[in-house]
Amino acid sequence: QVTLRESGPALVKPTQTLTLTCTFSGFSLGTTGMCVSWIRQSPGKALEWLARIDWDDDKYYSTSLKTRLAISKDTSKNQVVLTMTNMDPVDTATYYCARIQYRGSYYDAFDIWGQGTMVTVSS
Amino acid sequence: QSALTQPASVSGSPGQSITISCTGTSSDVGSYNLVSWYQQHPGKAPKLIIYEGSKRPSGVSTRFSGSKSGNTASLTISGLQAEDEADYYCCSYAGSSTFVVFGRGTKLTVL
Repeated sequence: QVTLRESGPALVKPTQTLTLTCTFSGFSLGTTGMCVSWIRQSPGKALEWLARIDWDDDKYYSTSLKTRLAISKDTSKNQVVLTMTNMDPVDTATYYCARIQYRGSYYDAFDIWGQGTMVTVSS
Repeated sequence: QSALTQPASVSGSPGQSITISCTGTSSDVGSYNLVSWYQQHPGKAPKLIIYEGSKRPSGVSTRFSGSKSGNTASLTISGLQAEDEADYYCCSYAGSSTFVVFGRGTKLTVL
C-alpha cells in the first residue's frame, strides 16, 4: 500500500524559511520512473503545482516560485524535503506531496496524495 | 501559464448526469492526452478519479468518465449520488517547462 505523509511547522513568520518533509512508503524513489511532487492549496483556492523530484534526482520547479524553492530526496529514508524561502502571508496554504510516475515518454497523474499539512504565515 | 477554466459550480439531482468542462489551450489540453481529474471532499486530500483523459484507476466507480475535444476536456458523472458532492479539479500536462496546470475547481452540489 502506497502512503505519503507531510510534516512540518504549522506556523512560520514572514521572511522565514519553510521546511516540509514528505515521508512515504510502498514505493522507492530509487525505482526508475518514480517521482514525488509538492502541490499547495490556499484556503478556498485552486491547487498549485510547486516542484517535482525524479528517481534520477532531476528537479523541476514552478516558474513563478523557482527562485524560492528547493527540493531534495533521501532515498534511504524514503523522504522528500521541500524548502521555501522568504515566506509571506500569501503562502498560507495546505501543502501536499503526491506521487507521480514517468511512463517512459510521459508523466502520468498524481495517483497517491498525502493528507496535507496546513501552514500559516503570520507574525 | 494560466489556470484551466472550469465552471465554478454545477448541480444535479440524484440519479441525473452532469458534465464538468475544463478548457485550456493548444499548449496544454489541446496538445496532450494527459488530462487528469481529482475529487476533493471538504478537509480531505484530492483523489485521482480519471487519468490520461479517460482512464479510471482501480476502485473508481464506472459512473465517472472523461473525454476531450480540442482544447476542452470533460468529466461526466452519471447516476449522481449524494457522496459525489465535492470539488472537482482538472489538471493537464503542459510541457517540460511548465509541467502541469490545474483548473480552478468546480463545486458539485447534489440537490
